Amino acid sequence: AQSVAQPEDQVNVAEGNPLTVKCTYSVSGNPYLFWYVQYPNRGLQFLLKYITGDNLVKGSYGFEAEFNKSQTSFHLKKPSALVSDSALYFCAVREYSSASKIIFGSGTRLSIRP
Amino acid sequence: GAVVSQHPSRVICKSGTSVKIECRSLDFQATTMFWYRQFPKKSLMLMATSNEGSKATYEQGVEKDKFLINHASLTLSTLTVTSAHPEDSSFYICSARDRQGPTGELFFGEGSRLTVL
Repeated sequence: AQSVAQPEDQVNVAEGNPLTVKCTYSVSGNPYLFWYVQYPNRGLQFLLKYITGDNLVKGSYGFEAEFNKSQTSFHLKKPSALVSDSALYFCAVREYSSASKIIFGSGTRLSIRP
Repeated sequence: GAVVSQHPSRVICKSGTSVKIECRSLDFQATTMFWYRQFPKKSLMLMATSNEGSKATYEQGVEKDKFLINHASLTLSTLTVTSAHPEDSSFYICSARDRQGPTGELFFGEGSRLTVL
């Protein structure tokens, strides 16, 4: 069975500093990995995805994520945080099968202080 | 990017009544749509997978007679909360997968906040 874990409920970072939101996954086959962001009372917005190829994936709003197969991780990163990045972030995974469901992590609340 | 429209965004109803939430894919066809429920400060709980032209597949523990799902076309799925009770109050989010998309990321509606009095 596939699963995804986000070990941190909350991450606090000062504006301008780099940020990392952690994610680890477990699938039986090749993974499709995703990051989504949710602002209060809104749906989820797609940030980026890893399918194959370069382990470093660049996405929206300056975010990037690094796929690490040996550590089964897909951490979300940004070199310089903005206050407007404060939101709830979800990592998600599905197996390399069109019939597979996407499974979400528990979410990490990112708080950027001015 | 692909757009998914969800309506209504907020609904308040009396206990015992039924509420219908619509999910539309505006610029792509979605053979599969998903309905999630989100509790405060919690992750998304997948309720069911809605398949165009066939019965929905419900996750374990989700009452299919309580949460009726219909996927009548390639662009529309509806969730009806029947005989709603206060414990059904929640944020419901739909998502759709572009049938033409090779990698299958989901596009989400803006969510519907249901409050049952």
